[in-house]
Amino acid sequence: GAGVSQSPRYKVAKRGQDVALRCDPISGHVSLFWYQQALGQGPEFLTYFQNEAQLDKSGLPSDRFFAERPEGSVSTLKIQRTQQEDSAVYLCASSLPFHNEQFFGPGTRLTVL
Amino acid sequence: KQEVTQIPAALSVPEGENLVLNCSFTDSAIYNLQWFRQDPGKGLTSLLLIQSSQREQTSGRLNASLDKSSGRSTLYIAASQPGDSATYLCAVFMDSNYQLIWGAGTKLIIKP
Repeated sequence: GAGVSQSPRYKVAKRGQDVALRCDPISGHVSLFWYQQALGQGPEFLTYFQNEAQLDKSGLPSDRFFAERPEGSVSTLKIQRTQQEDSAVYLCASSLPFHNEQFFGPGTRLTVL
Repeated sequence: KQEVTQIPAALSVPEGENLVLNCSFTDSAIYNLQWFRQDPGKGLTSLLLIQSSQREQTSGRLNASLDKSSGRSTLYIAASQPGDSATYLCAVFMDSNYQLIWGAGTKLIIKP
């Protein structure tokens, strides 16, 4: 497809479960970003990759959050031992290098019970 | 720390009116500013991107302005239509890193 895709679109997890969220960026986009959006709020930056290198992970809220992009294309955001406060929409975006326009996927809505 | 504020949080106007959405930011060391639209259950769509050296950008009925020194941007929507109903968010890209810093958005409702 031509756009950014994310899967699953919806995920319900029991507190304490591990989850993995996938992002397929636009082909050729070297930059990839993850954001967390709580209900009624703007997105919050989580982490940034340039190709396979994670250049900024300062937005990850705790060490339970881990992101990877091993081959510089698909990325996975993993949350271990989920907590209720992790419930949010997780957005992925990709772009050409540096400060270019970002293109967003539809997001994954995570609900932790 | 950069803070982005959008006013108003919600706005409801009759169809056909022209309207202005406001965005302010506290740190003027930005690389660019983007306006996005978000529809319920859908991702974010980029509307306009203004580089820090630019004053405005236009796309169809949309016009965005940037006053970097005063930390303000406005999004002007002309001849509003019900299909314009959505949440509009502004975000700034910092000079010093690759983080987009976002406002909380303005929820816009255009009444037929």
